Amino acid sequence: NAGVTQTPKFRILKIGQSMTLQCAQDMNHNYMYWYRQDPGMGLKLIYYSVGAGITDKGEVPNGYNVSRSTTEDFPLRLELAAPSQTSVYFCASSYSETSTDTQYFGPGTRLTVL
Amino acid sequence: AQKITQTQPGMFVQEKEAVTLDCTYDTSDPSYGLFWYKQPSSGEMIFLIYQGSYDQQNATEGRYSLNFQKARKSANLVISASQLGDSAMYFCAMRERVDTGRRALTFGSGTRLQVQP
Repeated sequence: NAGVTQTPKFRILKIGQSMTLQCAQDMNHNYMYWYRQDPGMGLKLIYYSVGAGITDKGEVPNGYNVSRSTTEDFPLRLELAAPSQTSVYFCASSYSETSTDTQYFGPGTRLTVL
Repeated sequence: AQKITQTQPGMFVQEKEAVTLDCTYDTSDPSYGLFWYKQPSSGEMIFLIYQGSYDQQNATEGRYSLNFQKARKSANLVISASQLGDSAMYFCAMRERVDTGRRALTFGSGTRLQVQP
């Protein structure tokens, strides 16, 4: 049981490049989330998904896209990378969306845009 | 307005002593959950403890306990018998009811704890 996995761990992009951050979970969780953490700050929600084929925007969605074709995978796409997207990206999942349910996080991807 | 406030950017504690990390929250929702996560220097987010708004007793998990004062809207994390491995960033987070439209955790800005030998 690997929990939530993310690849890559680190990445450096040039301005204008694109990339996909991968996230997978093996806990059969329906709910998955992408957060970003800027230096010295807490996490902010980018996108979330309540099941395969269903996604919605979070607090800071601009410059990102997501898809959810399977229960296990929830990739985050960065189009036309900008320095403002330099951050640590966390994927998380939970069994349900109730206020009592714990979200479990992946190890994060540290992205630098130069 | 800040939904989660952690007023201590950094804290020091001696090994084997107890330490309290402060967290206050703001919500009008009667149903919510409060969470604490630990983020060591390696970067991962580790779930520590959870408190539900309707829970009558304070949550405990090993050396971690949550001092929940609902009227004051505070949910302080208490770490007993600090260990060197407790040195990390600690985040308080809240999750409100789904039908409010807020599905995600709302995080505070964190407290960096350093345990000194």
